[in-house]
Amino acid sequence: QSALTQPPSASGSPGQSVTISCTGTSSDVGGYKYVSWYQQHPGKAPKLMIYEVDKRPSGVPDRFSGSKSGNTASLTFSDLQAEDEADYYCSSYAGTNNFGVFGGGTKLTVL
Amino acid sequence: EVQLVESGGGLVQPGRSLRLSCVTSGFTFDDYAMHWVRQVPGKGLEWVSGISWSSTTIAYADSVKGRFTISRDNAKNSVYLQMNSLGPEDTALYYCAKGVIPILVVFMADSWGQGTLVTVSS
Repeated sequence: QSALTQPPSASGSPGQSVTISCTGTSSDVGGYKYVSWYQQHPGKAPKLMIYEVDKRPSGVPDRFSGSKSGNTASLTFSDLQAEDEADYYCSSYAGTNNFGVFGGGTKLTVL
Repeated sequence: EVQLVESGGGLVQPGRSLRLSCVTSGFTFDDYAMHWVRQVPGKGLEWVSGISWSSTTIAYADSVKGRFTISRDNAKNSVYLQMNSLGPEDTALYYCAKGVIPILVVFMADSWGQGTLVTVSS
């Protein structure tokens, strides 16, 4: 059982806006600003898309954005593209004995 | 260009040991925490262990605590994962990953290797 809860699937049409949620507790998501999001295409290593809740690494398009409210973090695609179809995982710091816990992953389908 | 290359995976019998290595290049290795993350094929990601730049701060997932040991050699730009008392539940692709912010030990990783597959079976 994953420590963070994500919907198993999400979908949208090209150009649409889609949001994926990631729900934890006050001991992880709600307690720290260290939430990150990863994109994983089949057979590939994960790629960092968002860190520290809402920061984008260089090279990640600004149509990807992150936010947090209470114990729930969110990843939003503002202009969905075909190449965004992938699995997405959230992660959060959970204390000095647990540097990271993941969500179960969300499979994003571009219709 | 940042590169992380894992090695040491393979087929091992239950109860035996294996040591994974991750050689890195393209960044100042001793500025960053390093982590191991695993993924059962077709399943989700699981953070396994992390180590600070100075090796003074280390943590493990509960699922591997007491069996796995992480270490690093800053002179060799390398991080290791010693895995003992392996069981079928440890079968996974093991990724090495680099922390995104210098010094900070929390898990947020901006560079990943391609992984090394560990299969535990008799």
